[in-house]
Amino acid sequence: DGGITQSPKYLFRKEGQNVTLSCEQNLNHDAMYWYRQDPGQGLRLIYYSQIVNDFQKGDIAEGYSVSREKKESFPLTVTSAQKNPTAFYLCASSIGLAGGTDTQYFGPGTRLTVL
Amino acid sequence: SQQGEEDPQALSIQEGENATMNCSYKTSINNLQWYRQNSGRGLVHLILIRSNEREKHSGRLRVTLDTSKKSSSLLITASRAADTASYFCATVAGTGRRALTFGSGTRLQVQP
Repeated sequence: DGGITQSPKYLFRKEGQNVTLSCEQNLNHDAMYWYRQDPGQGLRLIYYSQIVNDFQKGDIAEGYSVSREKKESFPLTVTSAQKNPTAFYLCASSIGLAGGTDTQYFGPGTRLTVL
Repeated sequence: SQQGEEDPQALSIQEGENATMNCSYKTSINNLQWYRQNSGRGLVHLILIRSNEREKHSGRLRVTLDTSKKSSSLLITASRAADTASYFCATVAGTGRRALTFGSGTRLQVQP
């Protein structure tokens, strides 16, 4: 099956811990994105990557870090510097700049809760 | 920052009725997209309309775009209980970064 997967589905973090959320796609897409969604709200862009080994900060990057060492993978680390990390995290991918349409395909999400 | 704002925030209708959701945005755009999200799930792309298009159809969906008013509408005709979800508009700016900026969404409830 082609698609985009995220793991784990639920994640619990203690205060002061770093946690890493996984995002993998087998759609051969160049671009990948991380969003945060709070209850009853829209999505806010954390980081995005248009190509391997390159990524850009979105609107709310503070307290988060990413890497893009492989085309298929775009892990997000929520660091202890993120003061209010409890949220629903969504990963997405798109064909990229060459595609011209910017349509994004989303994973099922990871719900992070800070204990 | 939230580029788009949807209106209404919540909408409740009976099965068979039409549902109309509106989206306003602030800056010039390359295209505008509508996505659907079932509770606790990822988003699913519904339809994309480019800045030089005024209307687009896909099945029971009809999208309009008025760039002079910086607004778009999504019409779902003959709604079904399975259409119950949140609907988001998202824009790609005309210049600068090629990433989506989402509105806050309309929560649609279709009563059977």
